[in-house]
Amino acid sequence: AQRVTQPEKLLSVFKGAPVELKCNYSYSGSPELFWYVQYSRQRLQLLLRHISRESIKGFTADLNKGETSFHLKKPFAQEEDSAMYYCALKTSGSRLTFGEGTQLTVNP
Amino acid sequence: DAMVIQNPRYQVTQFGKPVTLSCSQTLNHNVMYWYQQKSSQAPKLLFHYYDKDFNNEADTPDNFQSRRPNTSFCFLDIRSPGLGDAAMYLCATSKWGGSGANVLTFGAGSRLTVL
Repeated sequence: AQRVTQPEKLLSVFKGAPVELKCNYSYSGSPELFWYVQYSRQRLQLLLRHISRESIKGFTADLNKGETSFHLKKPFAQEEDSAMYYCALKTSGSRLTFGEGTQLTVNP
Repeated sequence: DAMVIQNPRYQVTQFGKPVTLSCSQTLNHNVMYWYQQKSSQAPKLLFHYYDKDFNNEADTPDNFQSRRPNTSFCFLDIRSPGLGDAAMYLCATSKWGGSGANVLTFGAGSRLTVL
């Protein structure tokens, strides 16, 4: 079955601490993975995608096919990083399957 | 300069009374999607269009229909809303192929309440 799992619904860290949002996937083909973010009162938007291999707003994510994971990391969290984060998997054609999301709170 | 616009933002309807949600885009994207998102759950794909080619998800209830009269507009029709259909409905668009494939641009959503 094609599935995206984000095991933590809520994650709270202090400003300046490292943060890691976990994402695991189940997919039989070659996966294409994304992280989307929704800030308070804003619409859902793309944060980064694994094929770009880029760092956005200090966040990076590495695809680990052995562990079927695509965890999102940032070495020093900022208060403005507080948001809802969704991991997403391209399943076929244009279909994108989302995880249930992790609400990240960065405390001052 | 919103690029994916959903109307209405809030819709209240009565049990069984048909409702239509609309989505328009100025991006000229080939693909348009409708997602349903219930509280604390993942956005769930209902269907999507590649140009006029309609793609229904296997588990989308027949109660949900869609129309795409042209590139810019897409509609979600709920023929007989039940209490379980109360949710946020998200429209999104993307390019087909190339670097923009599967990069979704979302609207702000339409929140449906069923009384």
